[in-house]
Amino acid sequence: DTEVTQTPKHLVMGMTNKKSLKCEQHMGHRAMYWYKQKAKKPPELMFVYSYEKLSINESVPSRFSPECPNSSLLNLHLHALQPEDSALYLCASSQHGTGGEKLFFGSGTQLSVL
Amino acid sequence: DQQVKQNSPSLSVQEGRISILNCDYTNSMFDYFLWYKKYPAEGPTFLISISSIKDKNEDGRFTVFLNKSAKHLSLHIVPSQPGDSAVYFCAASETQKLVFGQGTRLTINP
Repeated sequence: DTEVTQTPKHLVMGMTNKKSLKCEQHMGHRAMYWYKQKAKKPPELMFVYSYEKLSINESVPSRFSPECPNSSLLNLHLHALQPEDSALYLCASSQHGTGGEKLFFGSGTQLSVL
Repeated sequence: DQQVKQNSPSLSVQEGRISILNCDYTNSMFDYFLWYKKYPAEGPTFLISISSIKDKNEDGRFTVFLNKSAKHLSLHIVPSQPGDSAVYFCAASETQKLVFGQGTRLTINP
């Protein structure tokens, strides 16, 4: 199994809603990532978890809250988002989280904030 | 400030010919360079990588060349096939951070 599974595939939410994005992998990888991709732009790193500890937060606003309950699962909790947060949210995993490792990406959650 | 740049937003190549995708970077601390391919409605898929201590890496039809002095890398695909039509992202790694270029849309014409 070389898949990273993300749910839901699409999400529409209002600015006062609370929602969560979920990501799961069963490759035994110990590093997991959240990326954000706006239309016609490259993916931008948001968070990195390495061995279930948050190792990188790229100055992401607190309305995005990551959680790594175990080495296979990664969540992104969303609260009070703005319309400019509408984007494709990509989860990825890699074996250890060291430089140059191949990242395996999920298909993403397309988020629209109204 | 964009640390990884792909200056060609699109490239069109005839089937069977060579496709050459280019990428420039500014940060000399990058230690690995990777190419990803992305189809619509899918996440990026890893294609090939190269360490900063090498100048060439080959995997089947795909070869990546690195010119450290020019801070430039390129991906060669030969022969190009219709299934290669996708957006190609160049990415550079510094420890756990992967920085992506803007992407080049490659179209292979029959």
